[in-house]
Amino acid sequence: NAGVTQTPKFQVLKTGQSMTLQCAQDMNHEYMSWYRQDPGMGLRLIHYSVGAGITDQGEVPNGYNVSRSTTEDFPLRLLSAAPSQTSVYFCASSQGGVYGYTFGSGTRLTVV
Amino acid sequence: GDSVTQMEGPVTLSEEAFLTINCTYTATGYPSLFWYVQYPGEGLQLLLKATKADDKGSNKGFEATYRKETTSFHLEKGSVQVSDSAVYFCALSEPGGYQKVTFGTGTKLQVIP
Repeated sequence: NAGVTQTPKFQVLKTGQSMTLQCAQDMNHEYMSWYRQDPGMGLRLIHYSVGAGITDQGEVPNGYNVSRSTTEDFPLRLLSAAPSQTSVYFCASSQGGVYGYTFGSGTRLTVV
Repeated sequence: GDSVTQMEGPVTLSEEAFLTINCTYTATGYPSLFWYVQYPGEGLQLLLKATKADDKGSNKGFEATYRKETTSFHLEKGSVQVSDSAVYFCALSEPGGYQKVTFGTGTKLQVIP
């Protein structure tokens, strides 16, 4: 099925460890974004991309890196995990503002 | 800056009751408006959208009308089912290429048999 695929679904990290959350879409969407969802905070934008090779920061970029070498893939890297990064992470893609976003099913990350 | 305000939840309704979830917005331009639904343990799914004033978006029995004069986009359904239990997010996006999406904080709906 077409859509946005995120892996892994669940992950537990120790403080200071690094890891990459994978995101891939097969709809040829230009725009991709990473959000984190925390209770009472809604969705907050971490990083976004408007095309291959182009990325920019969102509201809460500290502690995260992204790259976009292809249209399909948009991985999110945690450089040195901290307990404050415990959250549910969503990747989303879109053709543009009027079309709305297609979301992945999320990665639930716990940092201990 | 842009903002979206949704009614606080949770909202608890009996099956077949009428649903309204209020959403108002502030925006600098003429945004597109969206409702997303999130079922437990899943990502957000686009439920419906409207891209200009007086447009009505509809899907799965849900409706919302873009009211520019009241800057509102209230979600309605005539008869809710237990399967509609989820969190509903109102959102907006300014026009033109990539534009950051502004989400409301979500309203949890619980439908009891």
